[in-house]
Amino acid sequence: QVQLQESGPGLVKPSETLSLICTVSGGSMSSYYWNWIRQSPGKGLEWIGYIYYSGSTNYNPSLKSRVTISVDTSKNQFSLKLSSVTAADTAVYYCARDGGRDYGDYVFDYWGQGTLVTVSS
Amino acid sequence: DIVMTQSPDSLAVSLGERATINCKSSQSVLYSSNNKNCLAWYQRKPGQPPKLLVYWASTRQSGVPDRFSGSGSGTDFTLTISSLQAEDVAVYYCQQYYSTPPTFGPGTRVDI
Repeated sequence: QVQLQESGPGLVKPSETLSLICTVSGGSMSSYYWNWIRQSPGKGLEWIGYIYYSGSTNYNPSLKSRVTISVDTSKNQFSLKLSSVTAADTAVYYCARDGGRDYGDYVFDYWGQGTLVTVSS
Repeated sequence: DIVMTQSPDSLAVSLGERATINCKSSQSVLYSSNNKNCLAWYQRKPGQPPKLLVYWASTRQSGVPDRFSGSGSGTDFTLTISSLQAEDVAVYYCQQYYSTPPTFGPGTRVDI
């Protein structure tokens, strides 16, 4: 059974960079797309971006200028960096696996528990 | 971006009764190459992440009880819980994956 677990600071100051790590267990990262999704009270569920196990990425245009997603398959981890954060970036951040071609791209079959990140001074 | 809307915002249904949730997309999500609708449904219980229930608008995810069913095509979709159980209390979201970025509906809360 694939499991994902987010980790990182729960409090980030405005204008700083939010950094989170997702650790994947119970399965290989190979041949899958690995995603970050967030949920804030004001905007609902919002897809942030993905990284393929080989390193290619795709980001939501609304966040593209501030987002970097990277992968370390040797550690079974992928990470999110979101720069220049404001209060609007306060949200629960989830990592999730794209289920693959049988589902169609961008269908998320495994999710982490989520981690709340608050942006405040 | 494709905008997803859901109705109602919330509903309360008696145990054993039917619950119906509607989802509408701002443009068709029918993928012509395979004649399938790029629409998924998720269930989110308090304190838990979303759980995939249905994809391709009507294909149940492995392990999902058959009281959950998805239907619809083009721009209008429905998730039906045929006989509501206590464990079905949750917020339900639809999501389109026809175009990037994938987008979600605002959610429908289902209570007893």
